[in-house]
Amino acid sequence: ETGVTQTPRHLVMGMTNKKSLKCEQHLGHNAMYWYKQSAKKPLELMFVYSLEERVENNSVPSRFSPECPNSSHLFLHLHTLQPEDSALYLCASSQETAARTQYFGPGTRLLVL
Amino acid sequence: AQTVTQSQPEMSVQEAETVTLSCTYDTSESDYYLFWYKQPPSRQMILVIRQEAYKQQNATENRFSVNFQKAAKSFSLKISDSQLGDAAMYFCAYRSPIIQGAQKLVFGQGTRLTINP
Repeated sequence: ETGVTQTPRHLVMGMTNKKSLKCEQHLGHNAMYWYKQSAKKPLELMFVYSLEERVENNSVPSRFSPECPNSSHLFLHLHTLQPEDSALYLCASSQETAARTQYFGPGTRLLVL
Repeated sequence: AQTVTQSQPEMSVQEAETVTLSCTYDTSESDYYLFWYKQPPSRQMILVIRQEAYKQQNATENRFSVNFQKAAKSFSLKISDSQLGDAAMYFCAYRSPIIQGAQKLVFGQGTRLTINP
């Protein structure tokens, strides 16, 4: 595997379910990100981890719970979601130098029924 | 707070012709980076081109080039010799200086580019 991978690619869940999204980066980066992409809205930054420490939480509801056990893996734990949480969830990673950019995974398409 | 605006929700161009996508941003910082990302139907965001604000020379990557006007806070993307594979959503993004070892990207709303054969 190369780059940034995300599993699952598609997920359908009920509002009472608990599920987790997984992201793995194979680039040796030390920062990882979760974004939410909804229809007709700009990408919204949800969480930022640097060296496995959370450095930003953009007022995300507590029904989204991130976890970064090491610099290569990032999880987003989901519970009691709402239909408006249906979106594409993108993971990205970067290396903490000035010129580096973020590399994105293919995303998980989430549908909450 | 920084904002990024893409005023063209949709654009279309004939194959082999040139198209320019617009982007403006608002910031009080002097040192920053600007990016254009492409998101094809496969959904994976791919970096197209990057511009450092301290560089006066416009960035170029093969058929892709930018017109960076720092004073006007404008950052347009020009695609020359458009190809069918260029069809995608294009996002302009602003990156402020690194905080605690991580970047913060602010994205525009996106422009959907259609290539007509």
